[in-house]
Amino acid sequence: AQTVTQSQPEMSVQEAETVTLSCTYDTSESDYYLFWYKQPPSRQMILVIRQEAYKQQNATENRFSVNFQKAAKSFSLKISDSQLGDAAMYFCAYRTRRSYNTDKLIFGTGTRLQVFP
Amino acid sequence: NAGVTQTPKFRILKIGQSMTLQCAQDMNHNYMYWYRQDPGMGLKLIYYSVGAGITDKGEVPNGYNVSRSTTEDFPLRLELAAPSQTSVYFCASSYSMANYEQYFGPGTRLTVT
Repeated sequence: AQTVTQSQPEMSVQEAETVTLSCTYDTSESDYYLFWYKQPPSRQMILVIRQEAYKQQNATENRFSVNFQKAAKSFSLKISDSQLGDAAMYFCAYRTRRSYNTDKLIFGTGTRLQVFP
Repeated sequence: NAGVTQTPKFRILKIGQSMTLQCAQDMNHNYMYWYRQDPGMGLKLIYYSVGAGITDKGEVPNGYNVSRSTTEDFPLRLELAAPSQTSVYFCASSYSMANYEQYFGPGTRLTVT
């Protein structure tokens, strides 16, 4: 069974600085998706960024980028130029890409990010 | 588009009571999901549906039931509420395997006392 591990329960960063959130996962599959979701105090789950395992290039979305190391099964999120609105829980998630399975997401336990002015 | 809507936002139940959490989406998505999020934890899949009339168990289905009579609606039923079911419940939907983003509702905070 696949597992997702986030070893940093809490992180903090100064506004305008850069922070990296860690995520490791375990799977025997070679084809899958990885995601970072943001959950602000409103509880809404918001997709931040996604990565297809077959792509070697790291995904980027504006100030958010990932460092995807497939052999090491590592998927970290880098937030550049941090803003106060980035404060939230961040969840790493895994999804199989097998066609006969549904797109169930497996979540890590989350990292709470605080942003200080 | 309202996206994924959930009602109620909050609910307090007594042990042994029953209730239905409502979920609806207006995006014509085939796939719908129910997750629960316990304090300090990630989301865990309770049930999912790949289309009207088709449902299947997720990781933590015990104590819950679902039905999917229409594409839009996917209610979650708690028959005999227990304190262990105190959690925040999220409904989500996605169009298909080809479109892999799941859209989440705002959640329902349920307390069983």
